[in-house]
Amino acid sequence: DAKTTQPNSMESNEEEPVHLPCNHSTISGTDYIHWYRQLPSQGPEYVIHGLTSNVNNRMASLAIAEDRKSSTLILHRATLRDAAVYYCILSSGNNNDMRFGAGTRLTVKP
Amino acid sequence: NAGVTQTPKFQVLKTGQSMTLQCAQDMNHNSMYWYRQDPGMGLRLIYYSASEGTTDKGEVPNGYNVSRLNKREFSLRLESAAPSQTSVYFCASSTFLQQNTEAFFGQGTRLTVV
Repeated sequence: DAKTTQPNSMESNEEEPVHLPCNHSTISGTDYIHWYRQLPSQGPEYVIHGLTSNVNNRMASLAIAEDRKSSTLILHRATLRDAAVYYCILSSGNNNDMRFGAGTRLTVKP
Repeated sequence: NAGVTQTPKFQVLKTGQSMTLQCAQDMNHNSMYWYRQDPGMGLRLIYYSASEGTTDKGEVPNGYNVSRLNKREFSLRLESAAPSQTSVYFCASSTFLQQNTEAFFGQGTRLTVV
């Protein structure tokens, strides 16, 4: 299964942009890149996903490298509510499972 | 629209007891998943069901069994609970072609085995 590598933790100031990196050098051509986040004491929630092109939605933007070996989740203006663990996941092209790594714990300072 | 509902929310078991964690979704999703999350750790996949009538092992299936009762429900059974199974359990669901869609998670079941 394709693996992802993320920093264990990152800090940001409130109302500043945040760039959360993810490396996935063994990604296959059919793997989608998904991002989820988990707020304290809650289940994970979907943030964004993409295949090759950059993606934007109301929560965030996803920038995918041209070779697809890395991606960056961008929160344009961090709020205190964005403090969470962010998971970068590759969905397998051959089966239907979805495996999480340890994620990046984002701390947002007021 | 309730989404993914897990019951119970909390449970304490004695070593060797059995129990079933229930999960139901009302989004007509084909695929369902069971994860466990130990303190300070990421989620680990226990079992998943790509569609009604099929189940497959994930990363950590030992000590668990699952049943995909129908399209809506996917249960997780601990036949003989052990302290190592103390964890928070999450159920999730998604459409069959989950590569290009999102998964929805329940709020979790906090299980303590003493």
